Amino acid sequence: QKEVEQNSGPLSVPEGAIASLNCTYSDRGSQSFFWYRQYSGKSPELIMSIYSNGDKEDGRFTAQLNKASQYVSLLIRDSQPSDSATYLCAVGRAGNNRKLIWGLGTSLAVNP
Amino acid sequence: GAVVSQHPSRVICKSGTSVKIECRSLDFQATTMFWYRQFPKQSLMLMATSNEGSKATYEQGVEKDKFLINHASLTLSTLTVTSAHPEDSSFYICSARDRGLNQPQHFGDGTRLSIL
Repeated sequence: QKEVEQNSGPLSVPEGAIASLNCTYSDRGSQSFFWYRQYSGKSPELIMSIYSNGDKEDGRFTAQLNKASQYVSLLIRDSQPSDSATYLCAVGRAGNNRKLIWGLGTSLAVNP
Repeated sequence: GAVVSQHPSRVICKSGTSVKIECRSLDFQATTMFWYRQFPKQSLMLMATSNEGSKATYEQGVEKDKFLINHASLTLSTLTVTSAHPEDSSFYICSARDRGLNQPQHFGDGTRLSIL
């Protein structure tokens, strides 16, 4: 089992729809959870961070964390073609030299 | 927000050349910086963790003598690809974390390295 798993996609949604991206992790000691967006040929950009169970909203983005199920998700409301990118889930564990464990990313295509 | 500057953005050079890439945290102090490599259409791969004032921690399979890392100050880390060969051609990206528990990593814009 990979430490952080994401569906590779591509996930295709029509413009204006809700895109739902999922991530599971294996280490129950994980403490911090991040979603990054990476456009082709560019470096990753932080979208959301979440640390406690529940939902966290920022504009069109909502991150959801369920530590009991070891599951973190990202919802993108009113999806736009500019949201088309690869979304990376990253998980931080305590006492691990502060490095993040990365999923392989989910490719999202928003169709106009 | 946190800003990380990385340069050069693009390097094209001959095989056997050593290439230095700089990574700076502009508005915060980063005791830890990270160096990643990404081949086309592949996932982000952590190469090493750069610790200010101490030796870098390399991931398994990464040659420390090939990829020299120096983190001499709280705002600057450098990666030197020594005697680069065509197989070293890749997208190299640095990131830095601010002090404090569970802070996210902020990325530089990356360096595209092409070895002829």
